[in-house]
Amino acid sequence: AQKVTQAQTEISVVEKEDVTLDCVYETRDTTYYLFWYKQPPSGELVFLIRRNSFDEQNEISGRYSWNFQKSTSSFNFTITASQVVDSAVYFCALSSFSGSARQLTFGSGTQLTVLP
Amino acid sequence: DSGVTQTPKHLITATGQRVTLRCSPRSGDLSVYWYQQSLDQGLQFLIQYYNGEERAKGNILERFSAQQFPDLHSELNLSSLELGDSALYFCASSGQAANTGELFFGEGSRLTVL
Repeated sequence: AQKVTQAQTEISVVEKEDVTLDCVYETRDTTYYLFWYKQPPSGELVFLIRRNSFDEQNEISGRYSWNFQKSTSSFNFTITASQVVDSAVYFCALSSFSGSARQLTFGSGTQLTVLP
Repeated sequence: DSGVTQTPKHLITATGQRVTLRCSPRSGDLSVYWYQQSLDQGLQFLIQYYNGEERAKGNILERFSAQQFPDLHSELNLSSLELGDSALYFCASSGQAANTGELFFGEGSRLTVL
C-alpha cells in the first residue's frame, strides 16, 4: 500500500519569506510518480509538478523548487520570496500501481498562509 | 482550465435524499476518477472508470454508485444522504499520461446536506 505524509498541517509566513513544505511517501513500487497540487481558496486543484522515481534532479520553476530525495523518500516543495497569492492548501501525491490500475494517493495537505 | 467539467458546482439538499453529480472528462480521456474531499478525511479516492468499465474502487460507500457512459461522461449517484456526506466531490480524468497517474481535475461539486 502507498502512503503520503504531510506532517505540517498549517504554516504561516510573512510575505517575501521562503517556505518549505515537507512530503514523505511510502511505496513498494520501483516505478512511481510524485506530484504537487495547489488548492486555492476557490477550491479547484491545480497541478504544479510531476516527477518520476528515476529522476532525482531537483527542479526549479520561477519561485518554486522541488527537492526529490529517494534515500529519504521525500519530495519537498520550496516557495522562495512567498507572496500573498501563494496562500492555499498544497497537496503532495503519489501514483503507483494498485491491482491493475494506477492510483493517485494524496497527503492530508498543508495549509499555507502568507501574510502581507 | 483543466478541460474537465463538473455540474452542478453547488448543491444543497436534505438528509435521506438522492443526488447525481455529473462529469465530462477532457476530450479524448478514457479514464474518469471520483474523489471526495471532506474536512476530516482529506482527499479520498472513490472510484475509477476506464472506457465505460469500473477499473478500481476506493473508499466508496454502498450508498454511492457511479457509471461511465458510452460518450465517456460519468455520473456519481449519492443516495440516502447523511450529514457526513457534505463534501467537495472532484472528478478527474486522464488520458495519454495515464501511465504516470497524472490527473486533471474539475472544479468540484460542493454538496451540502442539511
